[in-house]
Amino acid sequence: DADVTQTPRNRITKTGKRIMLECSQTKGHDRMYWYRQDPGLGLQLIYYSFDVKDINKGEISDGYSVSRQAQAKFSLSLESAIPNQTALYFCATSETLAGGTDTQYFGPGTRLTVL
Amino acid sequence: GQNIDQPTEMTATEGAIVQINCTYQTSGFNGLFWYQQHAGEAPTFLSYNVLDGLEEKGRFSSFLSRSKGYSYLLLKELQMKDSASYLCAVRDKSDYKLSFGAGTTVTVRA
Repeated sequence: DADVTQTPRNRITKTGKRIMLECSQTKGHDRMYWYRQDPGLGLQLIYYSFDVKDINKGEISDGYSVSRQAQAKFSLSLESAIPNQTALYFCATSETLAGGTDTQYFGPGTRLTVL
Repeated sequence: GQNIDQPTEMTATEGAIVQINCTYQTSGFNGLFWYQQHAGEAPTFLSYNVLDGLEEKGRFSSFLSRSKGYSYLLLKELQMKDSASYLCAVRDKSDYKLSFGAGTTVTVRA
């Protein structure tokens, strides 16, 4: 089984709809992240969470919200989807280790299309 | 913040060597990562450098010079499966966030 899973894998929706993307992990990591990727651009950080009670905005948080329901679950919501939110969305996790690399491991991605 | 530059595309022949350069400007450096990403798939971790020098992992090696704000990923004995995008990412010292370059698409030709 995959360590980091995302649902749904593909979603087509209409402008103005509320959408939730979900991420679950079995790696036991405390840190979780949401990124979006657009063609020709690097991964851009939307939100990140270093533990259940710690949630922080990334570079492009406008139009998005998140919920860390448990250590293993981190959801991303688009309250009112717009076409320029059409992108590939990735969840990632990492582990806080003293002297560790804090390497991020990515889920398979969700391809979201907003019409 | 970070400013990360890497070439957009590179093409090489099967069996050859390709070097992907990455330059960065940062207010606080705390490590550099290389990821491989096949089209439509998740990025997968390749290498990590935090000290100057070369890290070797099989056919892949990564080099870092902190004073020059420079890294490269070296892919040796290229195989068709190495055709992918390679992402350079720099970690910030203050908040441990990663900033990614736009990626270098490597095409391996027979």
